[in-house]
Amino acid sequence: GAGVSQSPSNKVTEKGKDVELRCDPISGHTALYWYRQSLGQGLEFLIYFQGNSAPDKSGLPSDRFSAERTGGSVSTLTIQRTQQEDSAVYLCASSSGLATTGELFFGEGSRLTVL
Amino acid sequence: GDSVTQMEGPVTLSEEAFLTINCTYTATGYPSLFWYVQYPGEGLQLLLKATKADDKGSNKGFEATYRKETTSFHLEKGSVQVSDSAVYFCALRPIITGGFKTIFGAGTRLFVKA
Repeated sequence: GAGVSQSPSNKVTEKGKDVELRCDPISGHTALYWYRQSLGQGLEFLIYFQGNSAPDKSGLPSDRFSAERTGGSVSTLTIQRTQQEDSAVYLCASSSGLATTGELFFGEGSRLTVL
Repeated sequence: GDSVTQMEGPVTLSEEAFLTINCTYTATGYPSLFWYVQYPGEGLQLLLKATKADDKGSNKGFEATYRKETTSFHLEKGSVQVSDSAVYFCALRPIITGGFKTIFGAGTRLFVKA
């Protein structure tokens, strides 16, 4: 596609519910990233996929968070048993892979509000 | 581990003032360095980048020079405009085997008054 697409753009959920956030990266980009941006905070790295390699999950804050990337393209970030502190904007980005200087192209984010 | 430290905001300037936003980094190897900008209501976008020591990135009147000796990548603009009001993020991408995730600073919010 023309850019990184994320859905939903806004999600309001109740504490304890599970949510899924979707990211469709730029076609041909092999690297995909998830970040979290909380109000007044910077970008917190969550997880990174590169091609068929095992993902770097070092930023996931707890085992309630997981992500997968199917067919090397679309990615889904799942948050189980949501808590109020999970409220944030979840940003997805993609880049063209290892052999470049690594500019990231961001989607507009999914704003999650946990009541 | 690798990290980025940038000056805290908010920074408030009058139009046509000189801007500096400090950024220093800690990294193994020789990272690529970036400034990203987030305008109100928009997603993050790349502003400029530098890939090796002494490189100068520039775009839209903004400049930053990759200083290996001081591990810095300060953002400067000679004359800011109201339209420059945004949040600016300094970032690094390590160039080492096994890890390419981009690490961001906390962001610096800039307000420019007319």
